[in-house]
Amino acid sequence: DAEITQSPRHKITETGRQVTLACHQTWNHNNMFWYRQDLGHGLRLIHYSYGVQDTNKGEVSDGYSVSRSNTEDLPLTLESAASSQTSVYFCASSDQGTGELFFGEGSRLTVL
Amino acid sequence: AQTVTQSQPEMSVQEAETVTLSCTYDTSESDYYLFWYKQPPSRQMILVIRQEAYKQQNATENRFSVNFQKAAKSFSLKISDSQLGDAAMYFCAYNSGYALNFGKGTSLLVTP
Repeated sequence: DAEITQSPRHKITETGRQVTLACHQTWNHNNMFWYRQDLGHGLRLIHYSYGVQDTNKGEVSDGYSVSRSNTEDLPLTLESAASSQTSVYFCASSDQGTGELFFGEGSRLTVL
Repeated sequence: AQTVTQSQPEMSVQEAETVTLSCTYDTSESDYYLFWYKQPPSRQMILVIRQEAYKQQNATENRFSVNFQKAAKSFSLKISDSQLGDAAMYFCAYNSGYALNFGKGTSLLVTP
């Protein structure tokens, strides 16, 4: 079965460190997304990609970057982690039609 | 930017009863998709139901149905015969054309 996997599922890091969250999908979707979930804010879009070599900023992109070198993967990098980036991060993919998102299981990141 | 508003942070329903979760959205588009996602304690995001704006008929999936009022930009979710397994966070989402915009969520408690 097709799926979307994230790793690590849990991570604790220190302020100022670089962190990369991996996302791999086998749906063969062109569109991939990163959201963060915080209490009281719902899910907010960080970055998205419509295909290889395409990346775009979402509403909360400051401090984050992504790269898309193939269809399957969209890693999210925090260049210098801040305590405000403590959150649960979701990767998702979609087809071109309805925009329905298929989600990974989420990655909980704690920045101390 | 299009916004999605869920005005009920928390709702409670007794087992076997019916509950309605509210959602309103803002858009100038005429053709779009709307979604309800469920997030149980496992954190997994699960699609509950999808509505196409150009379809007059309200979508239904087993015990879940929507009341879609396009002119009022309202998209409520009705859960009939509530079960303990329905306890979760529910998110309303609108397809903005490049990504899904999510509301802040409604936490549903189901009591025996």
